[in-house]
Amino acid sequence: SQQGEEDPQALSIQEGENATMNCSYKTSINNLQWYRQNSGRGLVHLILIRSNEREKHSGRLRVTLDTSKKSSSLLITASRAADTASYFCATDRNDYKLSFGAGTTVTVRA
Amino acid sequence: DAGVTQSPTHLIKTRGQHVTLRCSPISGHKSVSWYQQVLGQGPQFIFQYYEKEERGRGNFPDRFSARQFPNYSSELNVNALLLGDSALYLCASSLKQANTGELFFGEGSRLTVL
Repeated sequence: SQQGEEDPQALSIQEGENATMNCSYKTSINNLQWYRQNSGRGLVHLILIRSNEREKHSGRLRVTLDTSKKSSSLLITASRAADTASYFCATDRNDYKLSFGAGTTVTVRA
Repeated sequence: DAGVTQSPTHLIKTRGQHVTLRCSPISGHKSVSWYQQVLGQGPQFIFQYYEKEERGRGNFPDRFSARQFPNYSSELNVNALLLGDSALYLCASSLKQANTGELFFGEGSRLTVL
């Protein structure tokens, strides 16, 4: 079973717009991570936010974490065509694995 | 620096056959994990190995097995293949056993079972 659920399943935006996707999870976590995957290739780590953090930035990425609501959001600002990919949240419960959601597919139109 | 490498990249098998997938972690990484990603879904955890010992196993049948070698490379074996085993198999490495940091993924081995 998958711990996280992303919303929306798919997102289409114009280049230069912002893209926001959300992740909800079910149990307490140690940290939450976001990964990007291009066309069924390997996953690339984007950002990690620990359970005691509320917001984190990395370049054009902004991640928030609300542990009381068991949810996280990923914001990509000023999107580019190269941001077209699937984005996955993954939760770490301080064990030996990451639990991934089903992902959000983002299409950035030129 | 070389990233995580996996082989083969693509393969086609028929039902009932056996497959072996291989993974070389990033130099210095002692932990290797395997994930299965079915089309349209997120990766599902199969195994984690650390220092050559199995540290975790996901909800997969005994047809799935793995091992880690002294050089920290790893093999995933699947016996008696079923159509439902068709998926992208991802290997990931990390420095530590516990996932307190990011995982570094390879490009995957895409298995098609006919």
